[in-house]
Amino acid sequence: ETGVTQSPTHLIKTRGQQVTLRCSSQSGHNTVSWYQQALGQGPQFIFQYYREEENGRGNFPPRFSGLQFPNYSSELNVNALELDDSALYLCASSLGGSSTYNEQFFGPGTRLTVL
Amino acid sequence: AQRVTQPEKLLSVFKGAPVELKCNYSYSGSPELFWYVQYSRQRLQLLLRHISRESIKGFTADLNKGETSFHLKKPFAQEEDSAMYYCALSGTSGYSTLTFGKGTMLLVSP
Repeated sequence: ETGVTQSPTHLIKTRGQQVTLRCSSQSGHNTVSWYQQALGQGPQFIFQYYREEENGRGNFPPRFSGLQFPNYSSELNVNALELDDSALYLCASSLGGSSTYNEQFFGPGTRLTVL
Repeated sequence: AQRVTQPEKLLSVFKGAPVELKCNYSYSGSPELFWYVQYSRQRLQLLLRHISRESIKGFTADLNKGETSFHLKKPFAQEEDSAMYYCALSGTSGYSTLTFGKGTMLLVSP
């Protein structure tokens, strides 16, 4: 069984640029959630994808967007980067499809630095 | 709005001492509560969830709905318990996601 993987590990961008982060879900999982973890903070929910559809969204502006592919891997796209977007971005996969909580398994994260 | 509060950024204890990591929550309903742990250079992982009522690595947590708390306890801390601990809540929004607290760093000294 393969765990959640994320790429790249680290990324440096400048303000105004666009970035794409990638996540491969754990084998058998059909749901991917993305979190932003700023320095000294807990992870904050960005959005969730279930079977290629956005299934919920946190308090993030539309320049944060995502995709989920038929193999359940996912991308997080951020446009018009701002300095405050500098953070660790975590992807978590789970087996969704019910209203009850299903354990989320986290990837190692992508560290984004915006200069 | 749902919220999780962990009042301590850092908790430093000696090996063998009791540990209590505090967590309070705000949610208008019946949430599920969790503790996640992140050891140095490792990924975030689930430590325990309140509905399972398990003891994992000697840690326990009791959900107190009256005080809206879910404190994490261990009677005798070990050096290997040093890590970042996050309390988290999952609501009944129709999709399962997590609201995290800011975390408490536990340092256990020999």
